Amino acid sequence: ETGVTQSPTHLIKTRGQQVTLRCSSQSGHNTVSWYQQALGQGPQFIFQYYREEENGRGNFPPRFSGLQFPNYSSELNVNALELDDSALYLCASSPSGRDQETQYFGPGTRLLVL
Amino acid sequence: AQSVTQPDIHITVSEGASLELRCNYSYGATPYLFWYVQSPGQGLQLLLKYFSGDTLVQGIKGFEAEFKRSQSSFNLRKPSVHWSDAAEYFCAVPNFGNEKLTFGTGTRLTIIP
Repeated sequence: ETGVTQSPTHLIKTRGQQVTLRCSSQSGHNTVSWYQQALGQGPQFIFQYYREEENGRGNFPPRFSGLQFPNYSSELNVNALELDDSALYLCASSPSGRDQETQYFGPGTRLLVL
Repeated sequence: AQSVTQPDIHITVSEGASLELRCNYSYGATPYLFWYVQSPGQGLQLLLKYFSGDTLVQGIKGFEAEFKRSQSSFNLRKPSVHWSDAAEYFCAVPNFGNEKLTFGTGTRLTIIP
């Protein structure tokens, strides 16, 4: 069983640019959540996608947007990058049914904004 | 809103010694609770979870946690730590609609020889 994968592993961008991060959910999981983890802090919820629809959003501005595809993979897009967007971006997937509250995380994408 | 508090920012333990990491939750009903571990530069790995039933939960890597409603706690324990246990540990609780996890601030564990 393949776990959650994310690409790229590392990324360097400059202020004002746009970035797209990708996530493949674990086999059989139809829900994907995205988190931002700044250095030395716990992960903060950005949003969640279920069956290609946004299913909850945290306190992040609209320049953070996402997509989920029919195969349940997902993208996180960030426009007009700011220095404070530098962080580890984590994707998590969860199954439907009995274990739906459990989120399984990928290795993350480390984004540096200069 | 649901929340968790991890009172200890950093703990240092000798290899082979026992470990207890604290987590306190704020939630009206019986919560679901999780412990995750994060090695440097890595993602989060699920150690264990509590949904209901037996209040002592066994996880991976020899970890266990005990849910105590009277103390609003879900402390993580290990009888004998190994150098490879050095990492950041996060307690987390899902919100009512289960669309997000709220994490504590984490406890960084250092193991000394």
